[in-house]
Amino acid sequence: DSGVTQTPKHLITATGQRVTLRCSPRSGDLSVYWYQQSLDQGLQFLIQYYNGEERAKGNILERFSAQQFPDLHSELNLSSLELGDSALYFCASSAGSVAEAFFGQGTRLTVV
Amino acid sequence: AQTVTQSQPEMSVQEAETVTLSCTYDTSESDYYLFWYKQPPSRQMILVIRQEAYKQQNATENRFSVNFQKAAKSFSLKISDSQLGDAAMYFCAYRSSYSGAGSYQLTFGKGTKLSVIP
Repeated sequence: DSGVTQTPKHLITATGQRVTLRCSPRSGDLSVYWYQQSLDQGLQFLIQYYNGEERAKGNILERFSAQQFPDLHSELNLSSLELGDSALYFCASSAGSVAEAFFGQGTRLTVV
Repeated sequence: AQTVTQSQPEMSVQEAETVTLSCTYDTSESDYYLFWYKQPPSRQMILVIRQEAYKQQNATENRFSVNFQKAAKSFSLKISDSQLGDAAMYFCAYRSSYSGAGSYQLTFGKGTKLSVIP
């Protein structure tokens, strides 16, 4: 158990819909990273938050957004969903600059 | 931008034998971290081993060891005495050591699927 909790584990939704993925980082970790794993693109960094503030953006679509709350949990919002958004979405957390990232079990999103 | 390349999409190894997975990377930075992550069918991303670029000594973790060649920008993973539970996708990943913005995201290779033959 990595200590990073993601909910839900599975999500099936229709095109055009909006979903929210949730992540609780390990206790004490201030950084939260979101990654997308798809068959064609592999594992790609989406966005990072540190102690409530956005720190870096990767290949994140404008239809996607995220936030980190005062209790440090984070949510990834995906809207106007398309079939191509079907993927495994991972959250990872780390304690700081020298610490490795620990991953949650991921949320499997299927858009039908 | 950094890139990570894993040139072996699939590999197989006989149980109890040794296998080496390859990884090369491209960077202009002098200080960074390299990682190997394992993703079994459960899909959990599990950290296997990490290497700091400033350390000349290769990292080892039980049956797992790396061959880090900084000049060649190569970072291979050796698994000794392979076990059935080692069957998984293995991802090589790069992370900057310094980021002015405080972001330390990982750049992953495409992965190598390792099968272990009983």
